Amino acid sequence: ETGVTQTPRHLVMGMTNKKSLKCEQHLGHNAMYWYKQSAKKPLELMFVYNFKEQTENNSVPSRFSPECPNSSHLFLHLHTLQPEDSALYLCASSQGNRANTGELFFGEGSRLTVL
Amino acid sequence: QQPVQSPQAVILREGEDAVINCSSSKALYSVHWYRQKHGEAPVFLMILLKGGEQKGHEKISASFNEKKQQSSLYLTASQLSYSGTYFCGTEEVGAGGTSYGKLTFGQGTILTVHP
Repeated sequence: ETGVTQTPRHLVMGMTNKKSLKCEQHLGHNAMYWYKQSAKKPLELMFVYNFKEQTENNSVPSRFSPECPNSSHLFLHLHTLQPEDSALYLCASSQGNRANTGELFFGEGSRLTVL
Repeated sequence: QQPVQSPQAVILREGEDAVINCSSSKALYSVHWYRQKHGEAPVFLMILLKGGEQKGHEKISASFNEKKQQSSLYLTASQLSYSGTYFCGTEEVGAGGTSYGKLTFGQGTILTVHP
């Protein structure tokens, strides 16, 4: 138990569906992150939020839309995805700031399969 | 820019030592090390900040040579529990000498420890 909870743990969706991934952290951190982990590829940073403000969008396609309503919750809205978007999506939080990341606490991930 | 890790895989017997290297072509503000076991979230091991420090965590330690933009993770007297994939993450030096708050991971090194 890392203090970062992701739901759902597994998601199967068609290319025309709209779904959302949810992340909640109970650590009092002010920074939250989305990472994508594909087979045989490194962890890819997608988005960074500091104090609810998006501070990093790592050239992510617009079919992925993040939302951070408060410092404890982070969503990743998914629409018209492609099969190559199938991956493990990891959420993380840290006490970092805009100047440095700090120790990341990862959730267990949401395994996404796009058919 | 993604750091480069070597080797890609290591196989050890219990009690043996291993070294995992991480290098970047960019000036680094910090190097992070994480371990991920199969089916689990990555877990933080340590952060090294520019200044060439060496840190230790039980029988796992690391060094950071900021002049060479290189870090090495040392695992001594390996245990079965050390098995997993080790990732280094790097933050580049940004304006003002701090980082951009963007942690980029290497491709990972798979460590397998046999009895």
